[in-house]
Amino acid sequence: SQQGEEDPQALSIQEGENATMNCSYKTSINNLQWYRQNSGRGLVHLILIRSNEREKHSGRLRVTLDTSKKSSSLLITASRAADTASYFCATDEGGRGGSEKLVFGKGTKLTVNP
Amino acid sequence: GAGVSQTPSNKVTEKGKYVELRCDPISGHTALYWYRQSLGQGPEFLIYFQGTGAADDSGLPNDRFFAVRPEGSVSTLKIQRTERGDSAVYLCASSWAGAGEQFFGPGTRLTVL
Repeated sequence: SQQGEEDPQALSIQEGENATMNCSYKTSINNLQWYRQNSGRGLVHLILIRSNEREKHSGRLRVTLDTSKKSSSLLITASRAADTASYFCATDEGGRGGSEKLVFGKGTKLTVNP
Repeated sequence: GAGVSQTPSNKVTEKGKYVELRCDPISGHTALYWYRQSLGQGPEFLIYFQGTGAADDSGLPNDRFFAVRPEGSVSTLKIQRTERGDSAVYLCASSWAGAGEQFFGPGTRLTVL
């Protein structure tokens, strides 16, 4: 089963513009992560935000988390062609303890045009 | 240091055959995970090892799927009597226990004809 749902499913922008992707989830969590995937193969971890955090920055990335709405957003500023990839949010299952499996959404496919 | 590696990178097999997919985690990572990703979908959890034992195998779809990690390092995912619906990219990840962030390998693309 998939918990997260990313929105939009696809996003096309010009280089230099900002890209915003949203994620909604269903159950309580300990943390939420964002991953990037190129060419349908290995995923690369971008950023982790804990349930008691509201905003986090890493380079050109800004992540927000609203646990009351069970939603998160990923903002990529000053996008580059190299940012073209699929982006996934992933959550653990907070409170269940013992299992560290991640539950992924379907992803947002971002295309940055030069 | 080396990342997570998976072999083979591609596997084509016929319906009904047996396949083994291998994962070499990052040295020192105690946790190892297998996920399966179908086209256009996000990765779906299969099984999680903590050391040598399977801590959570709730994602294995049926008893044709089995995974082992006998020495707490390399893991093998085994699929018996493959079906066309098993075609997908199988991803392996590893982490330090409780770290949150998982490090993924490049995946094995399995095609069942």
